[in-house]
Amino acid sequence: AQSVTQLGSHVSVSEGALVLLRCNYSSSVPPYLFWYVQYPNQGLQLLLKYTTGATLVKGINGFEAEFKKSETSFHLTKPSAHMSDAAEYFCAVSYLTTGGFKTIFGAGTRLFVKA
Amino acid sequence: DVKVTQSSRYLVKRTGEKVFLECVQDMDHENMFWYRQDPGLGLRLIYFSYDVKMKEKGDIPEGYSVSREKKERFSLILESASTNQTSMYLCASSLGTGGENIQYFGAGTRLSVL
Repeated sequence: AQSVTQLGSHVSVSEGALVLLRCNYSSSVPPYLFWYVQYPNQGLQLLLKYTTGATLVKGINGFEAEFKKSETSFHLTKPSAHMSDAAEYFCAVSYLTTGGFKTIFGAGTRLFVKA
Repeated sequence: DVKVTQSSRYLVKRTGEKVFLECVQDMDHENMFWYRQDPGLGLRLIYFSYDVKMKEKGDIPEGYSVSREKKERFSLILESASTNQTSMYLCASSLGTGGENIQYFGAGTRLSVL
């Protein structure tokens, strides 16, 4: 079965520090990969996605992620954290099944940013 | 901008009640989804629909049903609410069925079943 693993349910960084949120997936077929963010009291919104082509993907608010097929990873990074980045982040994988495409989400990583 | 609107932000219901959660999207999307979100478990798919009057079970359909009578509206029904259905419920929509399609989410309904 396909799966998505986000390492660390909580990550805490200082303002201005590097943000690194880890995502590994298992998929026997080429997947589409996504990062979504959920701010307090809101639904999820797309940060970035990888479909094909360049493996380094840039998203909104200065985030980027790199697809590494050999490591089955899609880690999310931001060079300098801002207080407004405090939120929960979800990695998601979409892959083709006999019944069409299916999307599964990781358990989420809550990012805390300290002043 | 796509807007997905869930009719209630908070609901409190009693065990055994029939509960309706409503979701409306304004972008003529083909697909609509219902998820529940629980701490440490992420999002789990309850049901989805790829067309009017069509529905497909997701990973955790037990205790739930859905209705899609109009393209823009997708309702989640708890026939007889139980305490283990206390959760955050998220509705989403997407334009097409390809894997690259982005899902657009509503703000969620936090349901408490007492």
